[in-house]
Amino acid sequence: GAVVSQHPSRVICKSGTSVKIECRSLDFQATTMFWYRQFPKQSLMLMATSNEGSKATYEQGVEKDKFLINHASLTLSTLTVTSAHPEDSSFYICSARAGTGMSTQYFGPGTRLLVL
Amino acid sequence: GQQLNQSPQSMFIQEGEDVSMNCTSSSIFNTWLWYKQDPGEGPVLLIALYKAGELTSNGRLTAQFGITRKDSFLNISASIPSDVGIYFCAGQPQGGTASKLTFGTGTRLQVTL
Repeated sequence: GAVVSQHPSRVICKSGTSVKIECRSLDFQATTMFWYRQFPKQSLMLMATSNEGSKATYEQGVEKDKFLINHASLTLSTLTVTSAHPEDSSFYICSARAGTGMSTQYFGPGTRLLVL
Repeated sequence: GQQLNQSPQSMFIQEGEDVSMNCTSSSIFNTWLWYKQDPGEGPVLLIALYKAGELTSNGRLTAQFGITRKDSFLNISASIPSDVGIYFCAGQPQGGTASKLTFGTGTRLQVTL
């Protein structure tokens, strides 16, 4: 099946620093990638949708200047958490979709972010 | 954001028992998906349903797309310890590049020997 990787798997950073998380589709070209955030014991909440070569679409309440998304190629999307604060500590998960509309989303293994 | 209601929220069952969980929505969905998430991992797709009334199996798992298109259920037969995890339903309202998944609240399954 399709494989999506994330790097790093976990990161600890100091408050005020920026953190970049990479999401790669390893064996298919992803026209669309999605970024989710999951707090402990909660469900996945969509943060933004990105299409290769265009600006990301952010969900309501998600600050686009704080969570920078770059989908530079059909196999790579990055999420940068700028000026991270402790409340940004969470599990960030990306997913990738090969086609449009009804095609399946494949999820990455997630990145655990802890901001001290 | 919108979430789908899943029930039960959590369940303890004995190994070998059958499990049933469901997902309901106030909105219509054109696709229903069921995922399993292990601790510290991303969700893994179990079953995808694309048509109202569709009943699909994947090994010991069976899922159905409700006729009203507002609900779905997942059954696990003869549970085993590795079935432990959180099960999420997800709905997709329509096709096209803008279609997004809405996730359910999750059902935490724990299996006792």
